Amino acid sequence: EPEVTQTPSHQVTQMGQEVILRCVPISNHLYFYWYRQILGQKVEFLVSFYNNEISEKSEIFDDQFSVERPDGSNFTLKIRSTKLEDSAMYFCASSEDLQKFFGPGTRLTVL
Amino acid sequence: GESVGLHLPTLSVQEGDNSIINCAYSNSASDYFIWYKQESGKGPQFIIDIRSNMDKRQGQRVTVLLNKTVKHLSLQIAATQPGDSAVYFCPYTSGTYKYIFGTGTRLKVLA
Repeated sequence: EPEVTQTPSHQVTQMGQEVILRCVPISNHLYFYWYRQILGQKVEFLVSFYNNEISEKSEIFDDQFSVERPDGSNFTLKIRSTKLEDSAMYFCASSEDLQKFFGPGTRLTVL
Repeated sequence: GESVGLHLPTLSVQEGDNSIINCAYSNSASDYFIWYKQESGKGPQFIIDIRSNMDKRQGQRVTVLLNKTVKHLSLQIAATQPGDSAVYFCPYTSGTYKYIFGTGTRLKVLA
């Protein structure tokens, strides 16, 4: 069964550093998303991406965040200058319609 | 408006019993409903979905019931197993672009 994959599974970084989280969506899907979940809190929507552009973004997704589909298979989330409060699980998801498939997540720890 | 609510934060059931997890929604225009489970440290996993033109849908050991009159959604799990222990979500679906997750219901399966 096809699945969304994410790398790395755990990323540790120093405050102020840039990080890139990588995702490989399911191959025939057209819609891509990033969500995050701070420990013990709700899963929060960050951004959706379709047809090589951002469809919608939340208030969390400020200028420090960017997304890119650099080739036909990868979908990345970049955080330019990480803050302590960016520590969270980041989930990538993809869909071809309303049903979204989530990846296993990348745990980002900012020290 | 966007609202997802679950009646109980935690539900404890004996192994082998049936579980019922409830969800309320506020947007009468919603036409798609979905259940996810999230095990500790993992991404949300699709369980079952239902469109508003149906009031019941069955999967393997799971049934989703939709009562549009009272805007209520429920997930029934038959013969609950230890592997069913997780947090269950009924995210609000906003078009194709995003889900709004609530806090979820934690299902604990007692041996």
